[in-house]
Amino acid sequence: DTAVSQTPKYLVTQMGNDKSIKCEQNLGHDTMYWYKQDSKKFLKIMFSYNNKELIINETVPNRFSPKSPDKAHLNLHINSLELGDSAVYFCASSPETSGKETQYFGPGTRLLVL
Amino acid sequence: DAKTTQPTSMDCAEGRAANLPCNHSTISGNEYVYWYRQIHSQGPQYIIHGLKNNETNEMASLIITEDRKSSTLILPHATLRDTAVYYCIVRVAGYSTLTFGKGTMLLVSP
Repeated sequence: DTAVSQTPKYLVTQMGNDKSIKCEQNLGHDTMYWYKQDSKKFLKIMFSYNNKELIINETVPNRFSPKSPDKAHLNLHINSLELGDSAVYFCASSPETSGKETQYFGPGTRLLVL
Repeated sequence: DAKTTQPTSMDCAEGRAANLPCNHSTISGNEYVYWYRQIHSQGPQYIIHGLKNNETNEMASLIITEDRKSSTLILPHATLRDTAVYYCIVRVAGYSTLTFGKGTMLLVSP
């Protein structure tokens, strides 16, 4: 009955590789997000999609490309991984974008770039 | 979004009430106060939110001062599982993302 799920939970890879992280929500929400939590534990928004359309794109390198095949999925593809990409990546979803609704977070994907 | 100020850490004895303060002196009239928490190695979890009235749910109570410049999250009977980082977030209505600060690390001890 997991509401927001992410795969994989752990990802260890070499610098320069390309990898993808998947996110799925079964809550019927219209909006999905990707957040990054760095080693200092700051949690920052990266992207937001509403009904498969990109609505927020913070200053993230273009090596990061989100893709939303349908409303329930928001995947994150990262090209040419760098050491600084090591972090925990959280997916989240919410019913709409009014700003009043709550967000539901996934368990996170721990990415380590060697 | 308006910025918030929270203590870096707090301690609480198990079974006692935990009162977590948050200052948001530059809050605007259309901004809500949200509280989330993050238990170690888990994703953030929504707790409660409010605009100007005090709110209560099964997890906690939120007390917002009349001038809305500060608020307090109250966990009435803290348990060991409430040990987490608690984030107070002020959010503009109509803007969907959350901006997380450093939060307060609450340690509940036996």
